[in-house]
Amino acid sequence: AQSVTQLGSHVSVSEGALVLLRCNYSSSVPPYLFWYVQYPNQGLQLLLKYTSAATLVKGINGFEAEFKKSETSFHLTKPSAHMSDAAEYFCAVSGHTGNQFYFGTGTSLTVIP
Amino acid sequence: DTGVSQDPRHKITKRGQNVTFRCDPISEHNRLYWYRQTLGQGPEFLTYFQNEAQLEKSRLLSDRFSAERPKGSFSTLEIQRTEQGDSAMYLCASSPGQGVGNTIYFGEGSWLTVV
Repeated sequence: AQSVTQLGSHVSVSEGALVLLRCNYSSSVPPYLFWYVQYPNQGLQLLLKYTSAATLVKGINGFEAEFKKSETSFHLTKPSAHMSDAAEYFCAVSGHTGNQFYFGTGTSLTVIP
Repeated sequence: DTGVSQDPRHKITKRGQNVTFRCDPISEHNRLYWYRQTLGQGPEFLTYFQNEAQLEKSRLLSDRFSAERPKGSFSTLEIQRTEQGDSAMYLCASSPGQGVGNTIYFGEGSWLTVV
């Protein structure tokens, strides 16, 4: 069975500071991993995904994530936070049947001006 | 490509009433998913379709919940005899093909408030 755990339900950073959102996965097989962003009252938008092609994945809006098998992690980073990055971020895992996506509980990012 | 479309975006209903949500997936997407999301939580998987076949429905929350995708295009999610605990956002998503690792694309969601 697959699952993801997001450490820290709330993260606050200053504008221009590094953003680091943590995600650890549990999977008996190499997983497919995703980060989604959700703005208030909207659906989820894909930021990036890992499908084993490369361990460092670049996404939209300057975000990237690194797959570390030894740490079972897929943390999301952005070098310099912008006010528009304030949102809810979800890590998700999909198994090799592709039938279901399992989401973490989310991390709310606040950017302080 | 207009994306995944959900209707209505907001619904307020009295306890005990039935409600139905509609989802139009991205054109030619074979898979369609329904999720529920409550405040402060991630999306919770409910069910999914491969074309018109409902391949997983064990996660539907109770027998009051049912979903259909009669022609393999749009889908409906019905909740009968609504309860206050059903208040949540119901998300629809779709993905292409039959392979694995496909991205799922979400609609804007349908907010349900049961009073």
